[in-house]
Amino acid sequence: QSALTQPASVSGSPGQSITISCTGTSSDVGSYNLVSWYQQHPGKAPKLMIYEVSKRPSGVSNRFSGSKSGNTASLTISGLQAEDEADYYCCSYAGGFGVFGGGTKLTVL
Amino acid sequence: QVQLVESGGGVVQPGRSLRLSCAASGFTFSSYGMHWVRQAPGKGLEWVAVIWYDGSNKYYADSVKGRFTISRDNSKNTLYLQMNSLRAEDTAVYYCARDAADYGDYLIYAFDIWGQGTMVTVSS
Repeated sequence: QSALTQPASVSGSPGQSITISCTGTSSDVGSYNLVSWYQQHPGKAPKLMIYEVSKRPSGVSNRFSGSKSGNTASLTISGLQAEDEADYYCCSYAGGFGVFGGGTKLTVL
Repeated sequence: QVQLVESGGGVVQPGRSLRLSCAASGFTFSSYGMHWVRQAPGKGLEWVAVIWYDGSNKYYADSVKGRFTISRDNSKNTLYLQMNSLRAEDTAVYYCARDAADYGDYLIYAFDIWGQGTMVTVSS
């Protein structure tokens, strides 16, 4: 049950696009299309942004998109806005268990 | 509205026990798998445990296996986490979260509803 690997930080200017990677193994990300992404603002509970690799829950902006290739999943945010500044976490099913990434702090410059 | 409310957190000495509760409302609790997720101060999210909608299956993170027990009472719309032999490294905000799948036996390990969290501090 090793944590998935995410970059510690990413940054972008308003209007730009950024991508956050989430690297696992053939025992988690690589074997299941059950990757989800969460946005967390300071002091708040996480919010589901993407599930099953690329599906968006109702109410989540279409500026958020997800994809997967092999053992690596990715979250792309297009048209960056100030309110997107937050921590982002990926999570994968791992055969009965769940495993999160270490989190990525997104800074909107 | 759809809501999860945790309770039961507090300060506890190492080696002691604590039971967390999570009261659900606004949805058919008995149709959903439920998870516990924790977050140590200043750290990332850690998945802790899952229980199927009917309690038939349970899984735990290696870090808590043998010490924590997840359970549910569908008649009371309540999820529980019994935490025994607590350690300093169990100090965290504990969130209960609903699995986003509502189709019986299949859980997708995506957490669409979260509680506000309850703080557990293990310290002498």
